[in-house]
Amino acid sequence: SQQGEEDPQALSIQEGENATMNCSYKTSINNLQWYRQNSGRGLVHLILIRSNEREKHSGRLRVTLDTSKKSSSLLITASRAADTASYFCATDKGGSYIPTFGRGTSLIVHP
Amino acid sequence: NAGVMQNPRHLVRRRGQEARLRCSPMKGHSHVYWYRQLPEEGLKFMVYLQKENIIDESGMPKERFSAEFPKEGPSILRIQQVVRGDSAAYFCASVGQGSTGELFFGEGSRLTVL
Repeated sequence: SQQGEEDPQALSIQEGENATMNCSYKTSINNLQWYRQNSGRGLVHLILIRSNEREKHSGRLRVTLDTSKKSSSLLITASRAADTASYFCATDKGGSYIPTFGRGTSLIVHP
Repeated sequence: NAGVMQNPRHLVRRRGQEARLRCSPMKGHSHVYWYRQLPEEGLKFMVYLQKENIIDESGMPKERFSAEFPKEGPSILRIQQVVRGDSAAYFCASVGQGSTGELFFGEGSRLTVL
């Protein structure tokens, strides 16, 4: 079974709007990462948040982590058509060195 | 400063043939992961290697699949006697020693089994 599950599976918004994706996981973690994948390409690392952090920012990205609810969210503000991609969360399953990925959220940003 | 290089990018094989996928990690990285991705799905872990050592192969199918990362040269994922269900994108990612956990991915090798 998946350690991390993203929600929603698909998201369609207009350029300029904010996009919020969520990730829930099952076991304790040391860190959680978000990745982006453009169609037909490899994954690109966006941001890593540690279990003792609650919020992290990188440019237009904001990630939150709630370890009590075992969930994280990725917010992309002022979205652009170029943000169209699939977004995945990856967790390390409490000390494991093997990042485990969810099924991803497919984001479409309409110009 | 090349990133993770995978080849071939696309590979077509007939059922029963062998597929060999290669991965050269980023310069200075000594650990490699292999993941498999089916259409519209996430990445499934297959194997984690360092040079000359398999650290974790818990995600590898028991038969037909093998992986190595020799002292010199790329990491190789080998699939013997391919079947249609092996059709997928295979991604390699590398990390450096003492890494925080960020993976650097290649562009993937897309295997199609006819």
